[in-house]
Amino acid sequence: SYVLTQPPSVSVAPGKTARITCGGNNIGSKNVHWYQEKPGQAPVLVVYDDSDRPSGIPERFSGSNSGNTATLTISRVEVGDEADYYCQVWDSSSDHPYVFGTGTKVTVL
Amino acid sequence: QVTLRESGPALVKPTQTLTLTCTFSGFSVTTSGMCVAWIRQPPGKALEWLALVDWDDDNYYSTSLKTRLNISKDTSKNQVVLTMTNLDPVDTATYFCARIRYCTSGVHYFDLWGQGTLVTVSS
Repeated sequence: SYVLTQPPSVSVAPGKTARITCGGNNIGSKNVHWYQEKPGQAPVLVVYDDSDRPSGIPERFSGSNSGNTATLTISRVEVGDEADYYCQVWDSSSDHPYVFGTGTKVTVL
Repeated sequence: QVTLRESGPALVKPTQTLTLTCTFSGFSVTTSGMCVAWIRQPPGKALEWLALVDWDDDNYYSTSLKTRLNISKDTSKNQVVLTMTNLDPVDTATYFCARIRYCTSGVHYFDLWGQGTLVTVSS
């Protein structure tokens, strides 16, 4: 099965930039999607197809994908960005074709 | 407004069957390209995709769980139902339903999610 690896945690001060990585074998050949999850709330799609933003998502959220690493970048971090973030790809050869990363807890200091 | 909401029992005994219902509004699961999926998250762990039903009544399951799962839709009620048999404590998780628009056109991300429902498996 395809495996996506994320750092367990990232800490960032308000106003600074947070970068969350998602590692996978040749992930650059796949479309990567990112979700924000806050306790007790529905997960929210924040980036799809590597770098596109759904309507209503601030421009502060951006994504990139190349080689074996995809990255979600949150610029000018706000307290409200504190959440868990998950990357996701579709891999037809996996037992679970919709593959999620291990998740990263973003803490705003 | 497009919404999804999960419902089901909060506590299930081991070996029992779990039935979860996803009730949605603002879209129809019979619209061409529409899909609804179930995803779960054990406490403190990552998300895991379980099953998906598409607008054309095709069903897809996680290979490792397919013998225990059944997904179906009730278009008259705007609902998608997931049943999971032979529950075990390791199935304790928050269960989410989520939508994929244009899933049969190569779109593979979940654009809308429900808030989830916590299911605990314990005797």
